[in-house]
Amino acid sequence: ETGVTQSPTHLIKTRGQQVTLRCSSQSGHNTVSWYQQALGQGPQFIFQYYREEENGRGNFPPRFSGLQFPNYSSELNVNALELDDSALYLCARRGGITSTDTQYFGPGTRLTVL
Amino acid sequence: AQKITQTQPGMFVQEKEAVTLDCTYDTSDPSYGLFWYKQPSSGEMIFLIYQGSYDQQNATEGRYSLNFQKARKSANLVISASQLGDSAMYFCAMREGLGGTSYGKLTFGQGTILTVHP
Repeated sequence: ETGVTQSPTHLIKTRGQQVTLRCSSQSGHNTVSWYQQALGQGPQFIFQYYREEENGRGNFPPRFSGLQFPNYSSELNVNALELDDSALYLCARRGGITSTDTQYFGPGTRLTVL
Repeated sequence: AQKITQTQPGMFVQEKEAVTLDCTYDTSDPSYGLFWYKQPSSGEMIFLIYQGSYDQQNATEGRYSLNFQKARKSANLVISASQLGDSAMYFCAMREGLGGTSYGKLTFGQGTILTVHP
């Protein structure tokens, strides 16, 4: 049990629409990361939030944006959806306070863009 | 160049036997961490084991051990006494650096599908 939850579980959108995915953590920690996992591939880092500010970004365009709230919950927003945005979206919380800590992942949101 | 390479798309093992899943990595950062995750068909990424670049001993967690060969840049996962529930996708991942923006950024390999036969 990682203590990380995500909603919704599944989502279907059409091309050009906007979507908001949510992530919450039972235990408070000030770092959350988002990943995109296309079918049959490993997850790719989208960005990280630390103390409610973006603090590191992968190779994703600005239409991928996020928010982190004081209660450590987080949102991933994707504008102008494209077919290639269809994927499993995972959020992860930092597991500890040392350099050896890991990332604990939520169950993911499966987004389908038609 | 790929930062994480998993060359085995699929592996098969008999129940109760041991299996090794291969992972090689590429980095010029002297400080890094290596992770293995298990992803069942449900989709959740389950943390298995961690190895730091400065750790002298190979990491172990129950039936999981990490065969860390720094000079060869390999970090193979060994699962002993395989169980039917071990059937899943397994990912090797790396974090480069030890602080700041590096904490949340993991680079993953393509994964290996493990099937355990009864």
